[in-house]
Amino acid sequence: EAQVTQNPRYLITVTGKKLTVTCSQNMNHEYMSWYRQDPGLGLRQIYYSMNVEVTDKGDVPEGYKVSRKEKRNFPLILESPSPNQTSLYFCASSLYPLVGRVRQETQYFGPGTRLLVL
Amino acid sequence: SQQGEEDPQALSIQEGENATMNCSYKTSINNLQWYRQNSGRGLVHLILIRSNEREKHSGRLRVTLDTSKKSSSLLITASRAADTASYFCATRSNYQLIWGAGTKLIIKP
Repeated sequence: EAQVTQNPRYLITVTGKKLTVTCSQNMNHEYMSWYRQDPGLGLRQIYYSMNVEVTDKGDVPEGYKVSRKEKRNFPLILESPSPNQTSLYFCASSLYPLVGRVRQETQYFGPGTRLLVL
Repeated sequence: SQQGEEDPQALSIQEGENATMNCSYKTSINNLQWYRQNSGRGLVHLILIRSNEREKHSGRLRVTLDTSKKSSSLLITASRAADTASYFCATRSNYQLIWGAGTKLIIKP
């Protein structure tokens, strides 16, 4: 089954304790991205990746790191989490970002990770 | 920065009625997409309209795009209880997708 998986789904942690949220897709997609969703603010892009070893900042990259060593995986790293990073996080992928065709541009979302930083 | 802004923020209608929600954006775009999100879950793609298209249909969905006004509308006809969800527009400008805050749609039986 074609899907984007995220782990963990729920996480409670304390300020300053490094954590990693994993994201994996099995659709051979080139484009992957991370979003956070907060009430009233919609989705805000944290980082995106055009392909292996190619990543770039989105709108709210501060406090986050990513890596893209393999095509299928795009982990999100919080080196020193703070309470303002409490949020719902989504990973998403698509075939190609710039073709303008539905099949290539449709974003497939993971189920989300709820993070609470105390 | 947020580019897409949905309007209204919330909409409650009776089952069977049509639901219309709007999206405005600020800069030039390559295309505009609409997604649906059921409570707390991942978003699901509904429809994509390119910047050179004015109207697109998919089942009970109708999307229009007015690039001169930098706005789009999503019409859901003959609404059903299962349409209850939040709806988001996303605009692509080069490599980035920028999302609005969403319209929460409630269909009353």
